[in-house]
Amino acid sequence: DQQVKQNSPSLSVQEGRISILNCDYTNSMFDYFLWYKKYPAEGPTFLISISSIKDKNEDGRFTVFLNKSAKHLSLHIVPSQPGDSAVYFCAANSWSKLTFGKGITLSVRP
Amino acid sequence: DTAVSQTPKYLVTQMGNDKSIKCEQNLGHDTMYWYKQDSKKFLKIMFSYNNKELIINETVPNRFSPKSPDKAHLNLHINSLELGDSAVYFCASSLQGSNEKLFFGSGTQLSVL
Repeated sequence: DQQVKQNSPSLSVQEGRISILNCDYTNSMFDYFLWYKKYPAEGPTFLISISSIKDKNEDGRFTVFLNKSAKHLSLHIVPSQPGDSAVYFCAANSWSKLTFGKGITLSVRP
Repeated sequence: DTAVSQTPKYLVTQMGNDKSIKCEQNLGHDTMYWYKQDSKKFLKIMFSYNNKELIINETVPNRFSPKSPDKAHLNLHINSLELGDSAVYFCASSLQGSNEKLFFGSGTQLSVL
């Protein structure tokens, strides 16, 4: 029972363009959402988050959008850089427990 | 200085053996976790401890026993290892009330032969 779904396993974009990574969830009790970035042989690192009372949070090149009615969030990276190539995990918090999606591999082509 | 460090990075062992993975954080966090990333790449919580007390214990076989000697350390002991235990195990820590902004270790790749 996947409560957090990242249905696209991979995404490839050109350097300088926008990367849009999508995430869907099913549990209405989730009240906080986070994106983590993971390089090979390293642990995930926190990237950006959003509370369920907001619909947008921006941090530099990274923006997360939340559509509660659709139970959907997305991470926008603009402009994309080769160093952004990594696996991105969407995560949702309920009662201090994080549920992760299976990740999406982003490749940014020079 | 590594914020969350776990050892060993790689662990190859035979079925039936007992092994331990150690984790230490120097961030002053009060909550620590063990996550398992299986072959399907899902990161699933196994345990969480807050100030040395067990808070979350997901459906994990009794062969897995976490131990927290102090709030900076959370070790994972696994008895009678099975093939299905092969995975990457991540330790993490956070500050209570931080909406689970976790800081992860670099992972331990466990291979059970």
